[in-house]
Amino acid sequence: QKEVEQNSGPLSVPEGAIASLNCTYSDRGSQSFFWYRQYSGKSPELIMFIYSNGDKEDGRFTAQLNKASQYVSLLIRDSQPSDSATYLCAVNKGGGFKTIFGAGTRLFVKA
Amino acid sequence: GEEVAQTPKHLVRGEGQKAKLYCAPIKGHSYVFWYQQVLKNEFKFLISFQNENVFDETGMPKERFSAKCLPNSPCSLEIQATKLEDSAVYFCASSQSGTGFQPQHFGDGTRLSIL
Repeated sequence: QKEVEQNSGPLSVPEGAIASLNCTYSDRGSQSFFWYRQYSGKSPELIMFIYSNGDKEDGRFTAQLNKASQYVSLLIRDSQPSDSATYLCAVNKGGGFKTIFGAGTRLFVKA
Repeated sequence: GEEVAQTPKHLVRGEGQKAKLYCAPIKGHSYVFWYQQVLKNEFKFLISFQNENVFDETGMPKERFSAKCLPNSPCSLEIQATKLEDSAVYFCASSQSGTGFQPQHFGDGTRLSIL
C-alpha cells in the first residue's frame, strides 16, 4: 500500500462543473496536507493547504480533511480549461522534514 | 532571491559519469528538500536539510547519491557513476520552517538525461 494514494485519472469534467479530487493516506500521525498543481513540464505550485478537520475555502477551491477516515479532497468549482493539470496531494509526516507525494490525478476540463 | 533557482535546467551525461545539480533556496528559507520525479510519475523524496544539517535522508540511494548545503553556497546534489535509471527531473524545494506547517516552494527542476 502506498503511503499517499490518488486516483491517477484522467478525470474529465465540462467547463463550469465541479471537479472533485480525492486522496487517502496511511500514516495516522500525518499533520499537514497540501494540494499542488503541476502543469506539464512545469514545477508544482501550491493550491491549498489544510491542517484541521473540516473544510477550508479559497476562491474556487475547497480542501476537505477527515483525519478519522484518513482522507483529504480538493473541490474545484466553476472548472475552467486552465485548471487542466495534474493535481498532487502531499502529506507531511511528523516532524515535517519529509513530505510524501501521491502520484497525482490528471484533470481535463473540456471547453 | 524570491524564487528557488535550480541549475542547470538540463544535464546530459553518459552512463557511469558524474552529475552535479545545484539549488539556491529562497532567501530567508532555512529548509531545503530534494525530490526525484521519473517520467511524470510521483515525486520521490530524497533528502531534507535545515541550513547545512541533514534532517532526513531516508530516500537517498546512499551508495551513489550525496547532497550538501554549505553556508553561502548553493545546495548541491551529486550522483556518482550514473545509471540509466537516474534519468529524471530533480526538483528542489525550500520552506521557511520544517515543522510541516509551511508549504514548500519548488524550483523549475533539472532534467537529467543519462545516455
